[in-house]
Amino acid sequence: ELKVEQNPLFLSMQEGKNYTIYCNYSTTSDRLYWYRQDPGKSLESLFVLLSNGAVKQEGRLMASLDTKARLSTLHITAAVHDLSATYFCAVDPLLSGTYKYIFGTGTRLKVLA
Amino acid sequence: SAVISQKPSRDICQRGTSLTIQCQVDSQVTMMFWYRQQPGQSLTLIATANQGSEATYESGFVIDKFPISRPNLTFSTLTVSNMSPEDSSIYLCSVEEPASVAGQQYFGPGTRLTVT
Repeated sequence: ELKVEQNPLFLSMQEGKNYTIYCNYSTTSDRLYWYRQDPGKSLESLFVLLSNGAVKQEGRLMASLDTKARLSTLHITAAVHDLSATYFCAVDPLLSGTYKYIFGTGTRLKVLA
Repeated sequence: SAVISQKPSRDICQRGTSLTIQCQVDSQVTMMFWYRQQPGQSLTLIATANQGSEATYESGFVIDKFPISRPNLTFSTLTVSNMSPEDSSIYLCSVEEPASVAGQQYFGPGTRLTVT
C-alpha cells in the first residue's frame, strides 16, 4: 500500500525562524505536489515538482524533491504569521497512466508572533 | 486557473437520507476528481470522473454509496447515499486543466457535510 507520511504533524514556531517539513513516500514517483490549506478553506497549489533534484521557491517557501530517497522537503525561511496553515504534500503513484493523488498526512503549522 | 464552484457549501442532513453535491467549472476539463476530508484529517480520493465514461472508484468506495455523474466537460455531481454520521466530512472536487503542469490539480471550495 502506498503511504505518504509527513513530519512533523504539528509545528509551532516563532516568527523569524527557519524550519523544514518532510514528506516521505513509499513508491516510485517523480511527481510531487505541495498544497496549503487555511482553516475552513480549500487547497491552494504551492509547488509542482516533476523530476529528481527539482527545486522551486516562492517567497519564504522552498520545495525540493529527491526521487531516489523518495523524499520531498518544504523549507520555511524567516517564518511570518501569515504562513500559519496546514501544508499537504501529494504524490502521483504513476499507476494506470492516469494522474491521481495520494495525499500526505498534513503538517499543521502555527507561527507565533 | 479554472474557477471551480461547489453547491451546497454546507449542509446538515439526517441519517438515512442522500445529498447530491454539484461541482461546476468555468472551462472544459477532462479529468475531475472527488475527495473526502474527514475532520482534522488529510484528503482521500473517492473517485475519478471522466466525461462519457463510468467513474473509477478507489478502494473502499463503491458506486452504490457514492454515485457520480459527469454529463459534460464542465460539470459533475457526487451523491452521498444513505448517510450515517461517519459520512460527516468535507467533500471536495478538483480538476486537472488541459494546460496544467503535469498532473496539477485545482480544488473547489468544498462542501461541508454534517450528518445527525
